Amino acid sequence: DTGVSQDPRHKITKRGQNVTFRCDPISEHNRLYWYRQTLGQGPEFLTYFQNEAQLEKSRLLSDRFSAERPKGSFSTLEIQRTEQGDSAMYLCASSLAETPFDGYTFGSGTRLTVV
Amino acid sequence: AQSVTQLGSHVSVSEGALVLLRCNYSSSVPPYLFWYVQYPNQGLQLLLKYTSAATLVKGINGFEAEFKKSETSFHLTKPSAHMSDAAEYFCAVRGYNFNKFYFGSGTKLNVKP
Repeated sequence: DTGVSQDPRHKITKRGQNVTFRCDPISEHNRLYWYRQTLGQGPEFLTYFQNEAQLEKSRLLSDRFSAERPKGSFSTLEIQRTEQGDSAMYLCASSLAETPFDGYTFGSGTRLTVV
Repeated sequence: AQSVTQLGSHVSVSEGALVLLRCNYSSSVPPYLFWYVQYPNQGLQLLLKYTSAATLVKGINGFEAEFKKSETSFHLTKPSAHMSDAAEYFCAVRGYNFNKFYFGSGTKLNVKP
């Protein structure tokens, strides 16, 4: 297993456009998380899945954001009508629900720039 | 509620000097605390974790951290800094229901030759 993969690594988009990011977790991990990291800040929780079920969403996740994990494997995060304030690094992480004391395994992130 | 505070957004040390990165936590339940490192344009890598066993925790790359309940602290140390330690370090506390982490704002470590 090569770890958590995120695609694309970088995305530049014009304000108002829609963007979609993909995350492939470690194959045996049943939990998948999305975090957002803005410049000079630590990552902030957005949402998480256990298998295909989305179990929690942060208030940070406005109606323009939607995340899916249709088959309990990879996940997508879509942002509609992007705004400049959406510019950030979007991090995906995965873990096993059965080992809650372990840390996450993070991907390298997708850096979004909205111009 | 859980939260962590990292004192000092930037720390600069000379190569070979002691590294001390500070983290204080607030938690309404017994805390599970973590340190992560982030290199430029990369994701976060787990350095070490405290899960209520030994209060002195050893991690990768020669780092260690000591859990002090009386001081609500979990400071990260390394006896001798190396140039390759230059990165950003994040302290985090696990949510009470283990569903998420709460991260500090990070400390950028600069190592001078």
